[in-house]
Amino acid sequence: GQNIDQPTEMTATEGAIVQINCTYQTSGFNGLFWYQQHAGEAPTFLSYNVLDGLEEKGRFSSFLSRSKGYSYLLLKELQMKDSASYLCAVMDSNYQLIWGAGTKLIIKP
Amino acid sequence: GAVVSQHPSRVICKSGTSVKIECRSLDFQATTMFWYRQFPKKSLMLMATSNEGSKATYEQGVEKDKFLINHASLTLSTLTVTSAHPEDSSFYICSARPTDSDYGYTFGSGTRLTVV
Repeated sequence: GQNIDQPTEMTATEGAIVQINCTYQTSGFNGLFWYQQHAGEAPTFLSYNVLDGLEEKGRFSSFLSRSKGYSYLLLKELQMKDSASYLCAVMDSNYQLIWGAGTKLIIKP
Repeated sequence: GAVVSQHPSRVICKSGTSVKIECRSLDFQATTMFWYRQFPKKSLMLMATSNEGSKATYEQGVEKDKFLINHASLTLSTLTVTSAHPEDSSFYICSARPTDSDYGYTFGSGTRLTVV
């Protein structure tokens, strides 16, 4: 079956760095997405990786290793507003999105 | 940037009634839109893929007669929850992907449905 694994919850300190991991086992691979979702709101797009390596966008970076079925989202200079759930999703061979359950990130002052 | 408008944002209805949720792509055309359901602290679950001008494709376990989807134009898809029951209470979200969006899917703001 298809599976996306990410930690349920993480806690970090304002100003610090946090890495949220995602491992996946899917039937085919056509890219991996990271989304941010604040409580009660719809997800917003953060990043897309289809080739191995690191993609950097400001304070957020996303890494992909296709051979290991592994990705991480790196958040730097954490701000209180970064408290949210972070969803990892993989597009499979049928171009369907398979979603992880999300990682709730708690930022403490 | 690409915007998907979804309304209503919140709706409370009585058991047995029907509720229609609209999803519009405001500045792009979407031949395909996706309808998701999300329970508290759970992941997004794809319910169906809405195709403009043709029948929607439903995921396994999703009742076609209960969740009616209509995609009559390139910018509008609707989801109607018929004969709603309390167990249908959930967060419903639509999404679409503009062709020039760097593969990012854009989501509507979601609809919180409460059936009493």
